[in-house]
Amino acid sequence: EIVLTQSPGTLSLSPGERATLSCRASQDFSRSNLAWYQQKPGQAPRLLIYGSANRATGIPDRFSGSGSGTDFTLTISRLEPEDFAVYYCQYYGNSLRFGRGTKLEIK
Amino acid sequence: QVQLVQSGAEVKKAGASVKVSCKTSGYTFTNYYLHWVRQAPGQGLEWMGIFNPNAGNTIYSQKFQGRVTMTGDTSTSTVYMELNSLRSEDTAVYYCARDHESSCLDHWGQGTLVTVSS
Repeated sequence: EIVLTQSPGTLSLSPGERATLSCRASQDFSRSNLAWYQQKPGQAPRLLIYGSANRATGIPDRFSGSGSGTDFTLTISRLEPEDFAVYYCQYYGNSLRFGRGTKLEIK
Repeated sequence: QVQLVQSGAEVKKAGASVKVSCKTSGYTFTNYYLHWVRQAPGQGLEWMGIFNPNAGNTIYSQKFQGRVTMTGDTSTSTVYMELNSLRSEDTAVYYCARDHESSCLDHWGQGTLVTVSS
């Protein structure tokens, strides 16, 4: 059973800064099976990135995903006020697994 | 546009059952799998299972096997998730979400809060 570990648990940054979020898997898997979601309080998660590096429809290009094997990264190049939220990585295999999330908060 | 609209909040006693609906629109219902994911208060996302609207078959997370049933109605493009033998730990927001290319979940319902009281 694959376990996804996200770090840091909380990231405090200011608007305009660059955010780097990590998702590490307990086993290798294909990059096509890794996705990232954004969730704001009281809202459903929103798909940001699928296949490790493909932006979902309507997602701004300041969001980018990379990685392979066991190490994956979500980068937000220049933080906008609306980007402060919780971010989850997800593995899709025989079942779905989510990381525990990284909370991106305003410094 | 693709929409998934879920039924309203529920309050149940421990030991009871709950059935949550998810009405879909804006796409061909039988062409996409549907998942159910839950989120306990202040916690992360937990996958419960997947339903194939075309064949009617399901795969459930081992954690919920024997306690959850996912079904669908092609005439109304609606999927259902029934959870039995409720306990306080089942208090959560339950989401339905559409599968995208067996890699991710691209559209989500608004969520249904299920509260279980003892």
